[in-house]
Amino acid sequence: GDSVTQMEGPVTLSEEAFLTINCTYTATGYPSLFWYVQYPGEGLQLLLKATKADDKGSNKGFEATYRKETTSFHLEKGSVQVSDSAVYFCALRKGGYALNFGKGTSLLVTP
Amino acid sequence: SAVISQKPSRDICQRGTSLTIQCQVDSQVTMMFWYRQQPGQSLTLIATANQGSEATYESGFVIDKFPISRPNLTFSTLTVSNMSPEDSSIYLCSVMGQVATDTQYFGPGTRLTVL
Repeated sequence: GDSVTQMEGPVTLSEEAFLTINCTYTATGYPSLFWYVQYPGEGLQLLLKATKADDKGSNKGFEATYRKETTSFHLEKGSVQVSDSAVYFCALRKGGYALNFGKGTSLLVTP
Repeated sequence: SAVISQKPSRDICQRGTSLTIQCQVDSQVTMMFWYRQQPGQSLTLIATANQGSEATYESGFVIDKFPISRPNLTFSTLTVSNMSPEDSSIYLCSVMGQVATDTQYFGPGTRLTVL
């Protein structure tokens, strides 16, 4: 069945470091792909999305490109801030519109 | 984007009791879903709440344990029945306003602790 695999955390980076969080998927057809973020003590928020191959989603300095050939949707940011500390979830939309989430990757950015 | 509220925001319950969680949206939405996030885990879909008909449950979840109602296009409830400590989780309501947008929005969640 459809599934999402994320790199395991926690990931600890210094402020202004480059961030990559890997996400690969297994799915039939052409799913839509999403990154959600959960800040400490807050609810889940949509960060960015891509709906077809080669699309690039971007928001708040984060980017992810839908790579059909490698079935990947890696999240990147050129310079992280302390305020980016959160748990990041990769997800795909399967048939019926519900989301299938990865296990989440915890990011801690230190000053 | 839709504004979603959930009640209660948190609760502590005794084993064997039931809790009903409410989800209210500020606009009519096409789809409503209920997810569970167990401690330190990802989100797992419990069911799709269908307006005017029985919910569609995912594998491992049954109506007797998690009855769901959706009387209209802005409101849904999830009941966690005959609770045990293993039901301690965050329960989240999610909505999709228009299918064409392909975007789901999540409520703030209900943190449930079962003693």
